[in-house]
Amino acid sequence: DIQMTQSPSSLSASVGDRVTITCRASQSITSYLNWYQQKPGKAPKVLIYAASRLQSGVPSRFSGSGSGTDFTLTISSLQPEDFATYYCQQSYSTPWTFGQGTKVEIK
Amino acid sequence: QVQLQESGPGLVKPSDTLSLSCAVSGYSISNSDWWGWVRQPPGKGLEWIGYIYYTGTAYYIPSLRSRVTMSVDTSKNQFSLKLSSVTAVDTAVYYCARMNKLEGIVDAFDIWGQGTMVTVSS
Repeated sequence: DIQMTQSPSSLSASVGDRVTITCRASQSITSYLNWYQQKPGKAPKVLIYAASRLQSGVPSRFSGSGSGTDFTLTISSLQPEDFATYYCQQSYSTPWTFGQGTKVEIK
Repeated sequence: QVQLQESGPGLVKPSDTLSLSCAVSGYSISNSDWWGWVRQPPGKGLEWIGYIYYTGTAYYIPSLRSRVTMSVDTSKNQFSLKLSSVTAVDTAVYYCARMNKLEGIVDAFDIWGQGTMVTVSS
């Protein structure tokens, strides 16, 4: 199985801050990397697919980069509605695997 | 718009079989798509359980393969999950989701149900 490791596990930030979350795969997954946002009590929502492509309807302050084993999710200017948990997920091979999540909290 | 809705018992006894269904509305389940299940234990992260094609071909996570069965009912436009011999570690929110190849590039779960909490307890 491909292991996905996110860092940090949690972070505190203020509205307007630039936030970066990293995700590392245990082997190359080329660009088969998706990012999801999950708010408490809600289902996950796909934000970024294929490492860097913005899902329809997602604000442009979200961006993704990387390929191979190292990936990044960036929120350019954190908004109140962005406080949530973020997960990376690889769809390179089954079983699909998720990172452990990064909780973004209000400072 | 496409909507998914899970249904099934919220409480299952240890050693019994967990059975959930996912009703799809606004979209035909036979439209050459894969349909999946993800679970999330309380306070923990997401775990992919598997996915199934509308024809019945399925892939499961190896750790659950001996206990999991997924099926599709095209006449009811729904798909189902069965997990046998459950224990407390199977307590989780179970989500159904549609797998879609976004822009023809990468597969992702793009539409999710709201999730249903299943507790395994006597």
